[in-house]
Amino acid sequence: AQKVTQAQTEISVVEKEDVTLDCVYETRDTTYYLFWYKQPPSGELVFLIRRNSFDEQNEISGRYSWNFQKSTSSFNFTITASQVVDSAVYFCALRPLSGGYNKLIFGAGSRLA
Amino acid sequence: EPEVTQTPSHQVTQMGQEVILRCVPISNHLYFYWYRQILGQKVEFLVSFYNNEISEKSEIFDDQFSVERPDGSNFTLKIRSTKLEDSAMYFCASRRTGESGQPQHFGDGTRLSIL
Repeated sequence: AQKVTQAQTEISVVEKEDVTLDCVYETRDTTYYLFWYKQPPSGELVFLIRRNSFDEQNEISGRYSWNFQKSTSSFNFTITASQVVDSAVYFCALRPLSGGYNKLIFGAGSRLA
Repeated sequence: EPEVTQTPSHQVTQMGQEVILRCVPISNHLYFYWYRQILGQKVEFLVSFYNNEISEKSEIFDDQFSVERPDGSNFTLKIRSTKLEDSAMYFCASRRTGESGQPQHFGDGTRLSIL
């Protein structure tokens, strides 16, 4: 089965605190891509990052960082020193490369308030 | 920065009517997608389109739905005989060719309300 689980439905964070959003995925594919998208209250989906299954390097972009661990099938997202502008729903998505080379499989999202 | 454009932003339609949602993908992109998001739920894949044909579709994308690229810039989703449960946000997305891991870029969505 191809599946993405975001167990944290809603997360409350105090401004300037750090917060980590968890993402666990399931796939039998050895080659796949993982993505994070942000959906602010205005409703659009904003691409944040992608990672392919062969690249386990962690990445930092400003206050955002991502921790990909293939051994635990996790691709977690940390926001450092959170700000009001970070309030949004964050979606983790999987793009397997078998059974169709196209679709994104989204998790249920984590609402950050 | 180029972006995917969707019109209208909000569409209200009577149940049983047909509706056409429009999208203008990013100009050098060749893969196109429709997704939907029922209020408060996850984003679900509907269909992908490449080289003027459907490349993949989900179980949701039944005979009620169709897609078309009527000209060189527009990509449309038609829903025939709409039902109450079709009420959702519909997102169009596009991506470049080449490496399959290229991110899909989404439009702002069309909120479809069926009365």
